Amino acid sequence: IAGITQAPTSQILAAGRRMTLRCTQDMRHNAMYWYRQDLGLGLRLIHYSNTAGTTGKGEVPDGYSVSRANTDDFPLTLASAVPSQTSVYFCASSPGDNQPQHFGDGTRLSIL
Amino acid sequence: GQNIDQPTEMTATEGAIVQINCTYQTSGFNGLFWYQQHAGEAPTFLSYNVLDGLEEKGRFSSFLSRSKGYSYLLLKELQMKDSASYLCAVRDSNYQLIWGAGTKLIIKP
Repeated sequence: IAGITQAPTSQILAAGRRMTLRCTQDMRHNAMYWYRQDLGLGLRLIHYSNTAGTTGKGEVPDGYSVSRANTDDFPLTLASAVPSQTSVYFCASSPGDNQPQHFGDGTRLSIL
Repeated sequence: GQNIDQPTEMTATEGAIVQINCTYQTSGFNGLFWYQQHAGEAPTFLSYNVLDGLEEKGRFSSFLSRSKGYSYLLLKELQMKDSASYLCAVRDSNYQLIWGAGTKLIIKP
C-alpha cells in the first residue's frame, strides 16, 4: 500500500542522546516535511524539502537537522535531545506546492 | 505575526449539522486546507479552498471569504465517527502551511 512510513512508532530517550527519526514515502512526491504537534498548539514546521538535494528551515528548526539524499527518504535528527523536544513528530509529503500534504502515522517521542 | 483561530472544542448531536469556523491573518494567501485528525492518528485531508465560495464534498462542505480572512467547515448528518479534531491550515506567501490548533468535535448520541 502506497504511503508514508515513519519509524519508530514511539521512543523514550535520555536527554543528551542522539536520535534519528526515519521517514520514507513511495509516492514519488517531490516535497517532504517534518512537523511537531504539541497539546494546544497547531502543527509546527521543523524542516522541509521541496525536492531531493534541497532542504529548508521551518518555524522551529533549532536542535534538529534533516537531509534529503533521494526522493523517498527524509530523516530527522536530534543531535542532543532535550526534554522540550518531547512531542509527536509527523512526516508529510506532497506532489507540489498547491497539493494536499499526506501524513505518516507519527512518532511519539519522550525525552527524559 | 501569523495567526489562525479556531474554537477549541464543540459539541453536537448525532444526525445534526455543525459549522466549525476558522479566521486567519497570514503573510499572503495561497489556499486554505481542512484536515481531520482522530485521536492518536495522523491528519487526513478533507478539503481545499483557494477561491471565494463553497466547495461541497458529500457530507462535508467548506467555505472561504478571502476579504474577511474567514473559512468554515460544515458537517451534515453527523455520525459518531465524525468525533475528531478538525484542523484549519493556510498556505502563506512562502507556500508553507500555517496551522490552527484544531477544533475538537464531540458527537453525542
